[in-house]
Amino acid sequence: SFDLTQPPSVSVSPGQTASITCSGDKLGERYACWYQQRPGQPPMLVIYQDTRRPSGIPERFSGSSSGNTATLTISGTQVMDEADYYCQAWDGFTALFGGGTKLTVL
Amino acid sequence: QVTLRESGPALVKPTQTLTLTCTFSGFSLTTSGMCVTWVRQPPGKALEWLALVAWDDDKYYSTSLKTRLTISRDTSKNQVVLTLTNMDPMDTATYYCARAGRDGYSLHFDSWGQGTLVTVSS
Repeated sequence: SFDLTQPPSVSVSPGQTASITCSGDKLGERYACWYQQRPGQPPMLVIYQDTRRPSGIPERFSGSSSGNTATLTISGTQVMDEADYYCQAWDGFTALFGGGTKLTVL
Repeated sequence: QVTLRESGPALVKPTQTLTLTCTFSGFSLTTSGMCVTWVRQPPGKALEWLALVAWDDDKYYSTSLKTRLTISRDTSKNQVVLTLTNMDPMDTATYYCARAGRDGYSLHFDSWGQGTLVTVSS
């Protein structure tokens, strides 16, 4: 098994860039993906395979990976981006989510 | 259009077995790389992965819950069933099923059901 660590909270002003990190042993050997979850809603995939964006996800969402840390970046953050964000990875046998990061846009 | 819907009891008693059904449409679970997974979320807490069944009927389980979990599929009905034995109040959560795409070390959940809240209480 492995653990994924995220900061509990990140704050950003509208129009600025938000970065959320996800770190874990051997994460660099696996793909990370990211989900956005608004209150009362199921999660929504925003980034997969470290950097790929599903159809319909705005270009302001991007992903990167370096060493054992994956990063979700939201450029030109909008108020509607305020949500919880979770990273997730797969080790070939089990999947794991990070503890989640609450993004506050104010 | 891909859709998934969870169904099952809203209330179970401690020690009982929970059985949840995920009914899906818009894809085939026999297509290479396709999987269905279950994820839960206790109120106010983080997502927790539970189990996954793959296109080749391989099954994978959370390390911490594997002795209590069983996942199965019925491809003729487009359904995936999850059972969780010996329910405890700490198992109170919203349970989601999701479609998953798997390719080597890549696994992502690209379509989700709305979830079903299961409360464990006597």
